[in-house]
Amino acid sequence: SAVISQKPSRDICQRGTSLTIQCQVDSQVTMMFWYRQQPGQSLTLIATANQGSEATYESGFVIDKFPISRPNLTFSTLTVSNMSPEDSSIYLCSVEAWQGKAGELFFGEGSRLTVL
Amino acid sequence: AQKITQTQPGMFVQEKEAVTLDCTYDTSDPSYGLFWYKQPSSGEMIFLIYQGSYDQQNATEGRYSLNFQKARKSANLVISASQLGDSAMYFCAMREGPKRSEKLVFGKGTKLTVNP
Repeated sequence: SAVISQKPSRDICQRGTSLTIQCQVDSQVTMMFWYRQQPGQSLTLIATANQGSEATYESGFVIDKFPISRPNLTFSTLTVSNMSPEDSSIYLCSVEAWQGKAGELFFGEGSRLTVL
Repeated sequence: AQKITQTQPGMFVQEKEAVTLDCTYDTSDPSYGLFWYKQPSSGEMIFLIYQGSYDQQNATEGRYSLNFQKARKSANLVISASQLGDSAMYFCAMREGPKRSEKLVFGKGTKLTVNP
């Protein structure tokens, strides 16, 4: 299993500003995933963060808007840049831990952002 | 086309009764995995159960079981003896392919309410 800590847990931000979300894992993991959950919606993968290489972004997400850092095997940050109200969402960090055959995703408690 | 379809936006069940949450999936890959997650109002994502495409038997984890019908491409979650604490959003997800790096795709979720 994996224990994931995310900061901040929630924040209220002004339009046009940027916010960095931190994700700390209690064990070394190769890949970390960043998801977005818009209000009342499902989870959508933003990007996969690998240590030592550039993050891989999903269609519809770009590095300029969501820059990601992955300085080591236990830590990652996601920045939401130049925020607009449409960025109001829960942002979740997750890692994969394989127990037997199942690649279970463990999630942090999420960072709930409200953009005014 | 949607990869994961959850047709029940909301479900209600009486405490101590069983409930089935529907999930159908779409893939042409012979190797895939199916997951169910629970999201309480607090926001964290909790892994419940996993079913691999080559598994011969339906997965079970305590009060959770997965009714896997491969020909119908369905993976319904059955919760037995519902408890008030089961009230939450439930998401079905799929990973296509055998590689650990493949992402999870989530359905839109079903909101389960357990009535006393």
